[in-house]
Amino acid sequence: GAGVSQSPSNKVTEKGKDVELRCDPISGHTALYWYRQSLGQGLEFLIYFQGNSAPDKSGLPSDRFSAERTGGSVSTLTIQRTQQEDSAVYLCASSLITSGSYEQYFGPGTRLTVT
Amino acid sequence: AQSVTQLGSHVSVSEGALVLLRCNYSSSVPPYLFWYVQYPNQGLQLLLKYTSAATLVKGINGFEAEFKKSETSFHLTKPSAHMSDAAEYFCAVSVGSGGGADGLTFGKGTHLIIQP
Repeated sequence: GAGVSQSPSNKVTEKGKDVELRCDPISGHTALYWYRQSLGQGLEFLIYFQGNSAPDKSGLPSDRFSAERTGGSVSTLTIQRTQQEDSAVYLCASSLITSGSYEQYFGPGTRLTVT
Repeated sequence: AQSVTQLGSHVSVSEGALVLLRCNYSSSVPPYLFWYVQYPNQGLQLLLKYTSAATLVKGINGFEAEFKKSETSFHLTKPSAHMSDAAEYFCAVSVGSGGGADGLTFGKGTHLIIQP
């Protein structure tokens, strides 16, 4: 079946512009996660959705970052007024949360470059 | 809060030799533990997971890992390295609270190099 998909695969933007990153989870997966991967910080957990709800947004790096999920499926991560330190690969993962199983399936990522 | 330490940012082995990638975790509650592999310019692929069942876990591509609570370790091994194993390997922990609300905490990764 289809895996997690993300778009765009690459995004180059100018400092100060807003960007939207999209994630399509595996069909039927109720949980969705966003991570950021950068050389300096490694893999960082950003936010998690169970259904359309994000219980804890404290992992988002700043108030320029926001995320939403609609219809229990597609999620969008928005970065406003991008800065050069936002350059990273943004990974999305989804999971079918059942008792004893918390494995997450990752998409290929969106490489964001802020110039 | 949980944390993961991977010893060795780079590990080099000869083709056919034993692969050993080290992972130690810190968690105040029984953890769920994972190993992921990342090939260049690709996402993360799950190799194996520990979820409080058998302590010796077998995964894909001939990899296995053993959960040792007394040592707080979850080292990844493969008896015989293949050139195709060259990749970045990440150990991760989740305490599974709130249905996974804390996400995964990853180690810094170990770059596995296979010498011909």
